[in-house]
Amino acid sequence: DTEVTQTPKHLVMGMTNKKSLKCEQHMGHRAMYWYKQKAKKPPELMFVYSYEKLSINESVPSRFSPECPNSSLLNLHLHALQPEDSALYLCASSQTGTGSHQPQHFGDGTRLSIL
Amino acid sequence: AQSVTQPDIHITVSEGASLELRCNYSYGATPYLFWYVQSPGQGLQLLLKYFSGDTLVQGIKGFEAEFKRSQSSFNLRKPSVHWSDAAEYFCAVGAVDSSYKLIFGSGTRLLVRP
Repeated sequence: DTEVTQTPKHLVMGMTNKKSLKCEQHMGHRAMYWYKQKAKKPPELMFVYSYEKLSINESVPSRFSPECPNSSLLNLHLHALQPEDSALYLCASSQTGTGSHQPQHFGDGTRLSIL
Repeated sequence: AQSVTQPDIHITVSEGASLELRCNYSYGATPYLFWYVQSPGQGLQLLLKYFSGDTLVQGIKGFEAEFKRSQSSFNLRKPSVHWSDAAEYFCAVGAVDSSYKLIFGSGTRLLVRP
């Protein structure tokens, strides 16, 4: 069982749709992450929030819009996605907002398919 | 720049046999090192981590890893593989700048023969 919960598990959407991915953790972690993972590849970092502030944006297209309403929640708003955006989207969290020595705990991901 | 190399794309072992997955990193000082496992359709689960101290690290599910500075390696081992260990394994190093990045290797897919 994972301590990072992601919903939905699967999402199919058209290129003109607007949808959101949700992530929740109750471990008291203060850093949260979004990753994109294509098949047979390692995860690629998209965004990092530290203490609810956007800390890293890895030059992700604006059709992906992250939001951190509070320290336990992380959303990823999707709009006008392209077929190449089809992937597994992983959320992760880590204990503190500083330092890469803290292990990251991952959710099971949302499998996104763009028609 | 930091990097992580997992030389083996696939490894096949028989159930009950021992396992070693290779990981080499590139960094001058002592890195923060992690091994994660990913089963099909699931997220990544942390197996173990190394920051400092004892170079032999014990993890979950009977896995261990040994940090060898002289070889820039952090290989993952298990004395007896179970069929449920079939998965993708990722070695990762924590970035040493002020970011929170994990730098992942390309992964090794473990197949287990009955």
